[in-house]
Amino acid sequence: NAGVTQTPKFQVLKTGQSMTLQCAQDMNHEYMSWYRQDPGMGLRLIHYSVGAGITDQGEVPNGYNVSRSTTEDFPLRLLSAAPSQTSVYFCASSYSSAGVYGYTFGSGTRLTVV
Amino acid sequence: KQEVTQIPAALSVPEGENLVLNCSFTDSAIYNLQWFRQDPGKGLTSLLLIQSSQREQTSGRLNASLDKSSGRSTLYIAASQPGDSATYLCAVKRRGNKLTFGTGTQLKVEL
Repeated sequence: NAGVTQTPKFQVLKTGQSMTLQCAQDMNHEYMSWYRQDPGMGLRLIHYSVGAGITDQGEVPNGYNVSRSTTEDFPLRLLSAAPSQTSVYFCASSYSSAGVYGYTFGSGTRLTVV
Repeated sequence: KQEVTQIPAALSVPEGENLVLNCSFTDSAIYNLQWFRQDPGKGLTSLLLIQSSQREQTSGRLNASLDKSSGRSTLYIAASQPGDSATYLCAVKRRGNKLTFGTGTQLKVEL
């Protein structure tokens, strides 16, 4: 069972460049989400999706785009990278049944914007 | 707005000690609470999940309790080992399937 797979594990970008962080899960989870983790700030929700074709904004969506064309994949796109987007990004997935199931997290992508 | 607080922020204990990590949340309208472990530079590993209707869950040396009415959860670690050294995060699942995280407790278990 692969679980939640994130690529790449590390990335260095120059300010203004764009890139896509990939996330794939093989558990048939309806719900997928992206978080960023910053020192002293904890994990904060960027975008989430409740199913294919449906996405919505979280707490810190500015500068990021998402799409969900399949159940398995939920890529996160940085439109024009800024140093403030230097962070560790985690993708997570879950079944949609509200209280019964917990979340499974990927191993993260460490992004540095210079 | 849901806020989650974890106390203490850091903890250092000798090997073999029993310890308690605390998590409190401001809005009791949660679906479940999940405890995670994070090793330096790594992802989050789920330890225990407590549904809102449950009072506690156990896995090996770990026991998590939930008091939804008072907005509190505790993670009890029995007979701590150096391998338990990590950051422990609690997260509450709220309406819309969203997670709100605490900022974590950094645990160091010394020989």
